[in-house]
Amino acid sequence: AQSVTQPDIHITVSEGASLELRCNYSYGATPYLFWYVQSPGQGLQLLLKYFSGDTLVQGIKGFEAEFKRSQSSFNLRKPSVHWSDAAEYFCAVLLNAGGTSYGKLTFGQGTILTVHP
Amino acid sequence: DTGVSQDPRHKITKRGQNVTFRCDPISEHNRLYWYRQTLGQGPEFLTYFQNEAQLEKSRLLSDRFSAERPKGSFSTLEIQRTEQGDSAMYLCASSSRDRGAEAFFGQGTRLTVV
Repeated sequence: AQSVTQPDIHITVSEGASLELRCNYSYGATPYLFWYVQSPGQGLQLLLKYFSGDTLVQGIKGFEAEFKRSQSSFNLRKPSVHWSDAAEYFCAVLLNAGGTSYGKLTFGQGTILTVHP
Repeated sequence: DTGVSQDPRHKITKRGQNVTFRCDPISEHNRLYWYRQTLGQGPEFLTYFQNEAQLEKSRLLSDRFSAERPKGSFSTLEIQRTEQGDSAMYLCASSSRDRGAEAFFGQGTRLTVV
């Protein structure tokens, strides 16, 4: 069964510092990959997604992520964190089953980001 | 496009009572999903509709849970005889039928069973 691992439950960074959130997936083929952000008590907002092609993808709010097939990873990065980035971040995979995939996502357990002023 | 709407946002109920949640997806989206999120965890898939047809149900969806999407538009999720373990955030999402299309999430319904 496919699974998603986010090794860091909680990360604290200072405002202006760089950020990298880790995500590893376990699946036989290359799935579709996503990063979502969730503010307290809110739903999820898509930051970026990877389907194929260029392995470095750009998202909203200055985030980017790099797909590394050899490491089964899809880490999220931001060069300079803002206080408003404090939230919970979820990596997710979507089963790519011969083009008949639908939106059933498997999520990691999330990484809580705290930003110090 | 008003996004995915869920109602109510919060629900407190006594154990043993029935509750029903509503989800209104983005109007042109024919795919609708329900997820459950417990504290400290990522969302877990519950069920999927394509138009009015319920095409997949997770093992998490016990017999006490039922979901409908009668006209292929809004959906309801009912929990009968609620238990404390049902306390969670219930998230609804919708997407178009495009391959790998992005799922747009609602703000969720927070259920507390006391």
